[in-house]
Amino acid sequence: GAVVSQHPSRVICKSGTSVKIECRSLDFQATTMFWYRQFPKQSLMLMATSNEGSKATYEQGVEKDKFLINHASLTLSTLTVTSAHPEDSSFYICSASSGPYGYTFGSGTRLTVV
Amino acid sequence: RKEVEQDPGPFNVPEGATVAFNCTYSNSASQSFFWYRQDCRKEPKLLMSVYSSGNEDGRFTAQLNRASQYISLLIRDSKLSDSATYLCVVGNAGNMLTFGGGTRLMVKP
Repeated sequence: GAVVSQHPSRVICKSGTSVKIECRSLDFQATTMFWYRQFPKQSLMLMATSNEGSKATYEQGVEKDKFLINHASLTLSTLTVTSAHPEDSSFYICSASSGPYGYTFGSGTRLTVV
Repeated sequence: RKEVEQDPGPFNVPEGATVAFNCTYSNSASQSFFWYRQDCRKEPKLLMSVYSSGNEDGRFTAQLNRASQYISLLIRDSKLSDSATYLCVVGNAGNMLTFGGGTRLMVKP
């Protein structure tokens, strides 16, 4: 079946540094990938839609200059959290559409900013 | 009002019980409907898609009522391994998914 690989699974960084999260579709091409954030005991919230070869579309309230998204190929999208702060600590998950009504999720990245 | 609403629970049920979850959505133009299961600190995994005709997969039955904008999930003969959070997910134009807040299920021996 369709597999989305997400790395790293866990990262701890110091406040003010940047963190890059990678999301790869391993056996299919993903024109569009989605980035979600999930705070403890809350549901997934869509942050942005990543489109191969073009600029990402950000949801209201998500700072595009803070959460940089690059989707340079049909199999790779990256999310970079710039100048991370403790309030950015969260569970970040990517997903890609793997066919009609099929969405595959990455395994998620737990970011802790200290 | 949230786009997709679910009772957060938790639902505490004994093994073997039948449990039902409900979900309502606000966008009448929604096109696709799913139930996902999410274990603690893990990514969501697709449990089943939901169709107007209703669909069943083993102990799980999902139903969609477009007129009432209502989705349900029925789990029969609950197992300990069914303990998880169940997410109602609605898809709109452009493959955009909106997640409900999730319903937590705890199955006890």
